[in-house]
Amino acid sequence: DTAVSQTPKYLVTQMGNDKSIKCEQNLGHDTMYWYKQDSKKFLKIMFSYNNKELIINETVPNRFSPKSPDKAHLNLHINSLELGDSAVYFCASRTSGENWGETQYFGPGTRLLVL
Amino acid sequence: RKEVEQDPGPFNVPEGATVAFNCTYSNSASQSFFWYRQDCRKEPKLLMSVYSSGNEDGRFTAQLNRASQYISLLIRDSKLSDSATYLCVVNRANFGNEKLTFGTGTRLTIIP
Repeated sequence: DTAVSQTPKYLVTQMGNDKSIKCEQNLGHDTMYWYKQDSKKFLKIMFSYNNKELIINETVPNRFSPKSPDKAHLNLHINSLELGDSAVYFCASRTSGENWGETQYFGPGTRLLVL
Repeated sequence: RKEVEQDPGPFNVPEGATVAFNCTYSNSASQSFFWYRQDCRKEPKLLMSVYSSGNEDGRFTAQLNRASQYISLLIRDSKLSDSATYLCVVNRANFGNEKLTFGTGTRLTIIP
């Protein structure tokens, strides 16, 4: 029944490694997002995809590469992990269209710790 | 200057009290406005949208002042379960480039 799911829930890894986080939504939404919430709890958008097409890329280092194999999935691959990448990464989705008030539904988050 | 500014708190309020949060936004082109709630170690969830005319949902009232670029949330008769971080969210929506910008959140603790 989970609307937006993410795997893994926790990820502990060494600096320099490459890792991926997966996101899936079963809401039939067209638009998906990745957000980063840092240790100060500030939530900031990283990317958004609409129907598998990249719409927003908020000056994120190119070590971060999103991939959307279909509109229900948006994965995030991170190369050469750095200490500063430690954060909670949230996936979200919404339906698209002219009604800009549509709710974004967030996944449970992936807690990434880089050692 | 941050796009969305909130008082981070924390606000420690006795059960049953009324509490108000404020938020200001810098981009006058912002189109829509929301309050989200985030519980500890959980994802943000929509609490309510904010309309120009003001809107109410049970004990919660949201107001928007476009001229002053100011949004507020009022919680009446606060309950222990209202303890959470409240995020002011602004949507700068150009077609095909919708973007939610979150404030840093205001932490609320309701004290029995």
